[in-house]
Amino acid sequence: KQEVTQIPAALSVPEGENLVLNCSFTDSAIYNLQWFRQDPGKGLTSLLLIQSSQREQTSGRLNASLDKSSGRSTLYIAASQPGDSATYLCAVRGWGGANSKLTFGKGITLSVRP
Amino acid sequence: GAVVSQHPSRVICKSGTSVKIECRSLDFQATTMFWYRQFPKQSLMLMATSNEGSKATYEQGVEKDKFLINHASLTLSTLTVTSAHPEDSSFYICSATDRGLTLNTEAFFGQGTRLTVV
Repeated sequence: KQEVTQIPAALSVPEGENLVLNCSFTDSAIYNLQWFRQDPGKGLTSLLLIQSSQREQTSGRLNASLDKSSGRSTLYIAASQPGDSATYLCAVRGWGGANSKLTFGKGITLSVRP
Repeated sequence: GAVVSQHPSRVICKSGTSVKIECRSLDFQATTMFWYRQFPKQSLMLMATSNEGSKATYEQGVEKDKFLINHASLTLSTLTVTSAHPEDSSFYICSATDRGLTLNTEAFFGQGTRLTVV
């Protein structure tokens, strides 16, 4: 059974700092990994999707890496801003494509202090 | 990215009544939609997988008679919480993938529905 872990559960940093959010998973047989952002009381916004054959994806100030063999992914946020404050979840999709389910971590709640 | 619309965003109902939540893919067709439940400070827990034109597949421990799922078209899935009780109060979120992007399989989520049963 796939398990996804995100540690720490919460993180507080000053504005402008570069930071790394970690995600680990137990079963390396994944189809892809996706990072999401969730604001309080809201749904999930997709940030980055990494296919199992890829090692990283970039979008603006965000960079996500994937090391499938070690079961790890990181989300790098450059020059953090107060608007980045949210909960960040990673999820892995099992082998089977669009019909296979996503397994989520509990998320990391990030607070960026002005 | 693709847009998934979920309605309503908030609902308060009396114990014993039923509530229907709609999930629509606005600019793509979704053969498969997923329904999740999220408790405070917890991860999303998959409840069921909704397939267009067929019966939903429920996760272990999820009562299919209590959480009725209908996926009548490629753009609409509904979740009905029947005979709701206070313990059903939670945040429900739907997800869909674009069936045209078979290699991508990026998941898009609705805005979520906060259900409170009083």
